[in-house]
Amino acid sequence: DGGITQSPKYLFRKEGQNVTLSCEQNLNHDAMYWYRQDPGQGLRLIYYSQIVNDFQKGDIAEGYSVSREKKESFPLTVTSAQKNPTAFYLCASSIAKTGTEQFFGPGTRLTVL
Amino acid sequence: RKEVEQDPGPFNVPEGATVAFNCTYSNSASQSFFWYRQDCRKEPKLLMSVYSSGNEDGRFTAQLNRASQYISLLIRDSKLSDSATYLCVAFLAEGGYNKLIFGAGTRLAVHP
Repeated sequence: DGGITQSPKYLFRKEGQNVTLSCEQNLNHDAMYWYRQDPGQGLRLIYYSQIVNDFQKGDIAEGYSVSREKKESFPLTVTSAQKNPTAFYLCASSIAKTGTEQFFGPGTRLTVL
Repeated sequence: RKEVEQDPGPFNVPEGATVAFNCTYSNSASQSFFWYRQDCRKEPKLLMSVYSSGNEDGRFTAQLNRASQYISLLIRDSKLSDSATYLCVAFLAEGGYNKLIFGAGTRLAVHP
C-alpha cells in the first residue's frame, strides 16, 4: 500500500529535551511538508522540501529543524528552543511540480510535560 | 486578518438536512481551492477540489466566487458519517513553491 507513515502516534517528552518525529512516504513524491495544528487554528507550515538535500523554512520554523537525506524520509526535530511544542504534527507530501494536492500522514501528537 | 477565514461552528443539524459552509480568502492571487475533511484526531483528507465556478460530487457542491473571494460547500441529505471538521484551503504558487493555506475549519455534527 502506498502512503505516508508517521511515528509514533503519541509522544511524551520532558521540557528541555529535543525530540525527533518520523515521516516516511512510498508515493515517490518529490515534495514533503511539516505542519503543526493547534486547537481552533488552521494548519501552519513549519518546513518544506521540494527535493532531496534541500529544504526551506515555512511560516513557523523557529525551534524546529529538518533533514532530507532520502526522498522517502523527512524527519522533524522539535528542539528545546521551541517555546510551545505541545501540538498535533502532520507530515504531508505532493508531486512537486503539479502538486496542488497534498497527502497527509496520520500525525503525531506531541505532549511536553 | 487571517488569510483564509471560516465560521468555526459547530453546526448541529439533523440527518437529512442541507447545510452550507462559507469561507473567504484574502489573497486574490490564490489560484485554486480545496475542501478537506478532518475527523477528530485524524489527518485531513481531500474532499473536493474547487477550480473554476464550482463543481459537484454526489451530495457535495462547492462554489467559488472570485470577485467576492468567497468559497462555499453545500452538503445535501446529511448523514451521521458527515460529522467532521471541514477545512477550506487556498492554493498559491509563490516563489517557486506550491503553498496551501488552511482555514481553521468548520465543525459539523449530524444527529439522528
